[in-house]
Amino acid sequence: AQSVTQPDIHITVSEGASLELRCNYSYGATPYLFWYVQSPGQGLQLLLKYFSGDTLVQGIKGFEAEFKRSQSSFNLRKPSVHWSDAAEYFCAGLNDYKLSFGAGTTVTVRA
Amino acid sequence: SQTIHQWPATLVQPVGSPLSLECTVEGTSNPNLYWYRQAAGRGLQLLFYSVGIGQISSEVPQNLSASRPQDRQFILSSKKLLLSDSGFYLCAWSVRNYEQYFGPGTRLTVT
Repeated sequence: AQSVTQPDIHITVSEGASLELRCNYSYGATPYLFWYVQSPGQGLQLLLKYFSGDTLVQGIKGFEAEFKRSQSSFNLRKPSVHWSDAAEYFCAGLNDYKLSFGAGTTVTVRA
Repeated sequence: SQTIHQWPATLVQPVGSPLSLECTVEGTSNPNLYWYRQAAGRGLQLLFYSVGIGQISSEVPQNLSASRPQDRQFILSSKKLLLSDSGFYLCAWSVRNYEQYFGPGTRLTVT
């Protein structure tokens, strides 16, 4: 079945440190991939998307993600984390009309 | 620009009561519309999607139903709520089958 997996349930990072969130996909063809962020009690906000082309995609809020076909990965990165980045992050893959979400990674930022 | 609204934001309902959640989208025509549920500690589950007025596809058989009476209006309903219907309900829209944009969500607690 086509799906995405987020191996890390929870990550704690110090403010100002770098952040990398892992996402692995299982799709036959080149998938459409997304990263969303959800603050507590809020809806999901689209951070970035990958459809094709350049494998390094830039998103909002200083995030970027790299598509690596050889590793079936689409990891999200940020060079320097701010306290406001504390949230839950979801990787998702598009299969026809349907978004399949990973289980999410909760990011805690410590001062 | 496009915006998506959901109401109510919070709802507490007794078991066996009816439910009606509304979602409206502004600034776009003929969007695809989606209802997701996010249960506590779990990922997002697609419940329904619609590609046009009166066209509803159900992903998971359950106690809920959806309707699309107007192009940019999507309603989630139930005749009799169950405890297991509690959760965070998210509406989303997309143009064709590309990235989806989410509303602020409705927190439903069934008591």
